[in-house]
Amino acid sequence: ETGVTQTPRHLVMGMTNKKSLKCEQHLGHNAMYWYKQSAKKPLELMFVYNFKEQTENNSVPSRFSPECPNSSHLFLHLHTLQPEDSALYLCASSQDLLSGHLTYEQYFGPGTRLTVT
Amino acid sequence: GEDVEQSLFLSVREGDSSVINCTYTDSSSTYLYWYKQEPGAGLQLLTYIFSNMDMKQDQRLTVLLNKKDKHLSLRIADTQTGDSAIYFCAENGSGNTGKLIFGQGTTLQVKP
Repeated sequence: ETGVTQTPRHLVMGMTNKKSLKCEQHLGHNAMYWYKQSAKKPLELMFVYNFKEQTENNSVPSRFSPECPNSSHLFLHLHTLQPEDSALYLCASSQDLLSGHLTYEQYFGPGTRLTVT
Repeated sequence: GEDVEQSLFLSVREGDSSVINCTYTDSSSTYLYWYKQEPGAGLQLLTYIFSNMDMKQDQRLTVLLNKKDKHLSLRIADTQTGDSAIYFCAENGSGNTGKLIFGQGTTLQVKP
């Protein structure tokens, strides 16, 4: 148990559906991350939020829309996805990116296994 | 550019030592990390090393860093079946972004 929870753990959706992934951290962190993990590919960073502000968008298609209402919660809104978007989506958190915490230790949730049909 | 490479698979016998290797390209990385991922779970931080260190030991884990060759290794002593997992090497690159660059992961199989 890392202190980062993700729901749902599994999600099957059609290409015309709209769904959301939720991440919550109980570690008092201020930076949160979304990653995509596909088979046989390195972990891909998608978005970074620091104190609720988006600081990184790694050229992610607009069918993925993140939302960070506060430092403890992070959402990933999904719409009109493609089959190639099927993957494990991992959320992570760390201490903030401004106060010199250079170790950037990131704590990961268990992930949401997404299947797009 | 930023790139991290690892061999994809390693098989050892229970009780042996395992050595997982990693090479990276960004010499400005200040920290390098090893993460472990068990089936159906997220990534768990095992250990990290500051770039001005050559070695770090933590119980059964030993991390060796050769900064000149940009080579990182993780040695697991007395490997157990519970160590079977995917191991990811990562670097933090340059800049104060919090962005980590991960390798593809090495699957460690421990045979009884």
